[in-house]
Amino acid sequence: AQSVTQPDIHITVSEGASLELRCNYSYGATPYLFWYVQSPGQGLQLLLKYFSGDTLVQGIKGFEAEFKRSQSSFNLRKPSVHWSDAAEYFCAVGAPGNTPLVFGKGTRLSVIA
Amino acid sequence: SQTIHQWPATLVQPVGSPLSLECTVEGTSNPNLYWYRQAAGRGLQLLFYSVGIGQISSEVPQNLSASRPQDRQFILSSKKLLLSDSGFYLCAWSLGQGPGEKLFFGSGTQLSVL
Repeated sequence: AQSVTQPDIHITVSEGASLELRCNYSYGATPYLFWYVQSPGQGLQLLLKYFSGDTLVQGIKGFEAEFKRSQSSFNLRKPSVHWSDAAEYFCAVGAPGNTPLVFGKGTRLSVIA
Repeated sequence: SQTIHQWPATLVQPVGSPLSLECTVEGTSNPNLYWYRQAAGRGLQLLFYSVGIGQISSEVPQNLSASRPQDRQFILSSKKLLLSDSGFYLCAWSLGQGPGEKLFFGSGTQLSVL
């Protein structure tokens, strides 16, 4: 079965600084990888996803993520963080078949002036 | 367009009381439906998912149950709530067309069991 680890529970960055959120997965084959964002008290919104092909994936709100098979990672990046990016970010992994996604425990992002 | 409705938004219930959370999806047919719970510091935990009417898969043994009486309706229930049932409950749907597809989430229900 697949699993996801997000090593950082909470990250604080300054507005305008770059951001990288880490995600490591465990799965025997090529996984289907996702990043979701959750604003306080709200549901989750898909930022981007990777199925195959180009390992650098562009998403909404200026986010991108890079799939690195050798490191079993799918880190989320943004070159310049905005205060509105403060939220909780979840990495998720899917597998072939009609099976549910498995989510990581999330990383809470705080943005300071 | 498709929409997902989840209610109530917040709920405070005493220990031992029953629970019923409802989720409905509009604008699509035969969706996959999911109930997740988000407890503090524990991320998103999949509780139940359903690929069709009357078909429920349980991921975690617990005090809760789920039912799908109609194609686009998913209900989370409990006969007697425990303190540990407190959390943020999220309903979600997907098209069920293949692996790793996009999930669409409701706005959640914050349940406090006192």
